[in-house]
Amino acid sequence: NAGVTQTPKFRILKIGQSMTLQCAQDMNHNYMYWYRQDPGMGLKLIYYSVGAGITDKGEVPNGYNVSRSTTEDFPLRLELAAPSQTSVYFCASSVNRGLYNEQFFGPGTRLTVL
Amino acid sequence: GDSVTQMEGPVTLSEEAFLTINCTYTATGYPSLFWYVQYPGEGLQLLLKATKADDKGSNKGFEATYRKETTSFHLEKGSVQVSDSAVYFCALGNTDKLIFGTGTRLQVFP
Repeated sequence: NAGVTQTPKFRILKIGQSMTLQCAQDMNHNYMYWYRQDPGMGLKLIYYSVGAGITDKGEVPNGYNVSRSTTEDFPLRLELAAPSQTSVYFCASSVNRGLYNEQFFGPGTRLTVL
Repeated sequence: GDSVTQMEGPVTLSEEAFLTINCTYTATGYPSLFWYVQYPGEGLQLLLKATKADDKGSNKGFEATYRKETTSFHLEKGSVQVSDSAVYFCALGNTDKLIFGTGTRLQVFP
């Protein structure tokens, strides 16, 4: 199993550009999550999904969009990139509710907006 | 709302020293508690967890006990190694989400 994979690893965007961060998992997990990690800070939840076709906002959803058309994939879309979106983005998945179950993380995407 | 507070780092230790990283939480209901570790350039991975009061989680020589009376989940290791150098995150699991602390960087020198 590859686990949780993310592409790209690094990306530099100009202000106003758009991009999609890809995330895929091969563990047949129902739950998937997108976090951002700013320097010296903990992880903030952007969006999450409890299954294909179902998504919900997390703590910091503004400026992002997600979709979940399959169990495996959970892409994160940035529209009109801003410097405040410079961060490291992590995708994660879990079998079931976060209350009891381990979340498995991808290696991250480091995004810089200039 | 629910929250997690961790001691600030960096924590700098010599090899074989004793490690404690403090974590306290605020939560409604009966959350689960986790410690995740992030090695340089990698994503987070679960180190240990406890799902109810007085449970002790342990892995790779690390331990933490879920203390409901003090709302704490402190991470300990009796003898750290250089390879333990990483960022450690305390997290609280309640409803569908995890809530993370800000992380504590541990640096272990030979």
